[in-house]
Amino acid sequence: DADVTQTPRNRITKTGKRIMLECSQTKGHDRMYWYRQDPGLGLRLIYYSFDVKDINKGEISDGYSVSRQAQAKFSLSLESAIPNQTALYFCATSDYARGTDTQYFGPGTRLTVL
Amino acid sequence: SQQGEEDPQALSIQEGENATMNCSYKTSINNLQWYRQNSGRGLVHLILIRSNEREKHSGRLRVTLDTSKKSSSLLITASRAADTASYFCATVFSGNTPLVFGKGTRLSVIA
Repeated sequence: DADVTQTPRNRITKTGKRIMLECSQTKGHDRMYWYRQDPGLGLRLIYYSFDVKDINKGEISDGYSVSRQAQAKFSLSLESAIPNQTALYFCATSDYARGTDTQYFGPGTRLTVL
Repeated sequence: SQQGEEDPQALSIQEGENATMNCSYKTSINNLQWYRQNSGRGLVHLILIRSNEREKHSGRLRVTLDTSKKSSSLLITASRAADTASYFCATVFSGNTPLVFGKGTRLSVIA
């Protein structure tokens, strides 16, 4: 089984709908992240969480919210989806215990907002 | 922005040739990492170099780090068509800040 899973893998929705993307991990890492990727813009950090009680905004948090339900679960919500939120979304985890913070990515969720 | 910047943005080479990608960053780092992304898939960690290291090897990968110039390079030797992907550098500034990714270099290896 994959260490970092994302659901759904693909989603098509309409403007104004509330959408939740879910991420689960079995790596036992404290740190979790949500990124979006748009062509030519690389990865942009939306939110990150260094432990269950810690939530931090990233570069582009407007229009998004997150919930860290447990060490293994980190959900991203779009309260009212808009077309420019159409993108590829990635969840990632990391462990800073050895001072490296290497990240492990899920397979991604392709979201289309019509 | 603290974001690293890769150069070139795109690179096309023949199979068997070497591919070199560069990454520049703006502030002091703890370590620098390179990741690979096959089209539409999640990134995969390739190699990490710490700020007190100058060169590391892993298989056909060679990474160098020049902290005085705030730059790193990734060399892929004897490239294969399967190396076709996007490559990202990412920098770690401290334990209290998340990794910062560059925009990537798209490598095409033509068989």
